[in-house]
Amino acid sequence: GAVVSQHPSRVICKSGTSVKIECRSLDFQATTMFWYRQFPKQSLMLMATSNEGSKATYEQGVEKDKFLINHASLTLSTLTVTSAHPEDSSFYICSASQGGGTEAFFGQGTRLTVV
Amino acid sequence: QKEVEQNSGPLSVPEGAIASLNCTYSDRGSQSFFWYRQYSGKSPELIMSIYSNGDKEDGRFTAQLNKASQYVSLLIRDSQPSDSATYLCAGETAGGTSYGKLTFGQGTILTVHP
Repeated sequence: GAVVSQHPSRVICKSGTSVKIECRSLDFQATTMFWYRQFPKQSLMLMATSNEGSKATYEQGVEKDKFLINHASLTLSTLTVTSAHPEDSSFYICSASQGGGTEAFFGQGTRLTVV
Repeated sequence: QKEVEQNSGPLSVPEGAIASLNCTYSDRGSQSFFWYRQYSGKSPELIMSIYSNGDKEDGRFTAQLNKASQYVSLLIRDSQPSDSATYLCAGETAGGTSYGKLTFGQGTILTVHP
């Protein structure tokens, strides 16, 4: 399968600071990337859909000004958690799709801890 | 509200037995379904995808899809302790620009004991 690389794998930040998470498709061009969040013992919840060259589409209840998504190229999407709070501590996972009904491939995930 | 529901579990089976995982979905527009395995602290990894009614077999894994009943299942034969993980069922609604957009069930924790 295709490879999606997510970085960093773990990050600890202070409350009030911003954190950027990168998601790269290494061997294919990702028309669409997705950002999920997973709290302990819960399933993955879709936060937003990121299409290259256009604004991200956020799911209901997700603050677009707090979770900034940029998809500037076909191989890179970034998620920036702004003014992070302890309740933003979670496992953030990206996935990337080539489009056209093909499956999406997941990155390794980023464990964010806000202290 | 498009939902995917899994039998809540946790499910415990002895080594060598068949583990049966079930999932129902509410969106009749869903075309593709996936089973992922997730180990603690790791990202989900794809086990099976299924798009048509019927059975699809891959090694010890068999996925079943019944679109009329809106039901998806995963059978794991000859279960091994290494199969112990959380299994996530996901459905995708094709069309538009949302290919690859998945709705996940809540997951079923499977434990295979020696």
